[in-house]
Amino acid sequence: IAGITQAPTSQILAAGRRMTLRCTQDMRHNAMYWYRQDLGLGLRLIHYSNTAGTTGKGEVPDGYSVSRANTDDFPLTLASAVPSQTSVYFCASSENGGTLTDTQYFGPGTRLTVL
Amino acid sequence: GQNIDQPTEMTATEGAIVQINCTYQTSGFNGLFWYQQHAGEAPTFLSYNVLDGLEEKGRFSSFLSRSKGYSYLLLKELQMKDSASYLCAVLDSNYQLIWGAGTKLIIKP
Repeated sequence: IAGITQAPTSQILAAGRRMTLRCTQDMRHNAMYWYRQDLGLGLRLIHYSNTAGTTGKGEVPDGYSVSRANTDDFPLTLASAVPSQTSVYFCASSENGGTLTDTQYFGPGTRLTVL
Repeated sequence: GQNIDQPTEMTATEGAIVQINCTYQTSGFNGLFWYQQHAGEAPTFLSYNVLDGLEEKGRFSSFLSRSKGYSYLLLKELQMKDSASYLCAVLDSNYQLIWGAGTKLIIKP
């Protein structure tokens, strides 16, 4: 593995189903993030984690949950998917969240469609 | 509220120079980032400015004026591979990135 990987690459999901998007990084970065990207809008932060064992809410956390059991993995769960959660989801990581010059590096994204 | 404004789309000619502007109003300021995003791909880091002035990196330069809430990304000697979206993002007082919607740059031969 090099950098950040996300799985699945794409998914079509029925409304009401539960779904977990996976994100793994091998850079030993402390901070990790989940964003959604919708046409015409900027990336919006869903949840973040500045270090293993801690998580925080971003701009649009409703309907999503995360966990950070270790440094490398940061899964995002949709407990009961709704069509408005159709989006492209990007996972990112940075060396130390909450600091200046802390550059975020992005995974390839998961394209999710909820019908 | 927090707001980042960029033009939605720009067109330029191969070999030319283009300037992409970004204005921002955020709760606090801890730096401004520019990212490049090719269609269907992840954003990739281009530049970071926290002090006023121009930062040059090869064909790309980024300028910041904190007093004006303004930045621009300057791309010189445009190549076809520069066709992409360019995202402006500000690190706010909570050290969270606030993102603009991006500027789609179309390069014509």
